[in-house]
Amino acid sequence: GESVGLHLPTLSVQEGDNSIINCAYSNSASDYFIWYKQESGKGPQFIIDIRSNMDKRQGQRVTVLLNKTVKHLSLQIAATQPGDSAVYFCAEKPGGTYKYIFGTGTRLKVLA
Amino acid sequence: DTGVSQDPRHKITKRGQNVTFRCDPISEHNRLYWYRQTLGQGPEFLTYFQNEAQLEKSRLLSDRFSAERPKGSFSTLEIQRTEQGDSAMYLCASGEGRSPGNTIYFGEGSWLTVV
Repeated sequence: GESVGLHLPTLSVQEGDNSIINCAYSNSASDYFIWYKQESGKGPQFIIDIRSNMDKRQGQRVTVLLNKTVKHLSLQIAATQPGDSAVYFCAEKPGGTYKYIFGTGTRLKVLA
Repeated sequence: DTGVSQDPRHKITKRGQNVTFRCDPISEHNRLYWYRQTLGQGPEFLTYFQNEAQLEKSRLLSDRFSAERPKGSFSTLEIQRTEQGDSAMYLCASGEGRSPGNTIYFGEGSWLTVV
């Protein structure tokens, strides 16, 4: 099926450091993007979203950056905590469709 | 709990049997999605409902799969003549508003194991 990426990369960070998780999306016509966090055995949990007419959006301890020129999305987590350990997915919604297309995800490991 | 509710959470079935999953979306959310997720992969889109109308279906949804949302509230996903390749987590998500450019919230999923 459609997806972004082929592997599940892992990012290991020290507790208290900042994390940056990257995502290359596939469709230049995508107009909306969401980051989700998924813990083992659970459903994806909404973190933050951004529309294509923006290039940055901030939440609590999280920031999403969108670079439409190179079709790149990133999630920055400030002061990473052990509870942030999970798999993170970006999802894009191509214009003219209803579906959200997910990437394979990035596993974040927070080291004590 | 006012989140998306899915039932059953786990189902083990023999190959060839039919299974049905139920999803209760967040109250008054008119948009409802079904996704499938296998280990190590991101969720894959199956189908989308706006109220009771099924507006989009994935090519992944073979004729053994059918989804309904008869009254625009809860939805069911039925898999007929299950195959081992159907083993996965089936996720339901809901959102509000008419525009697809809004957040969707997922349930905890229904795990299916076909033996």
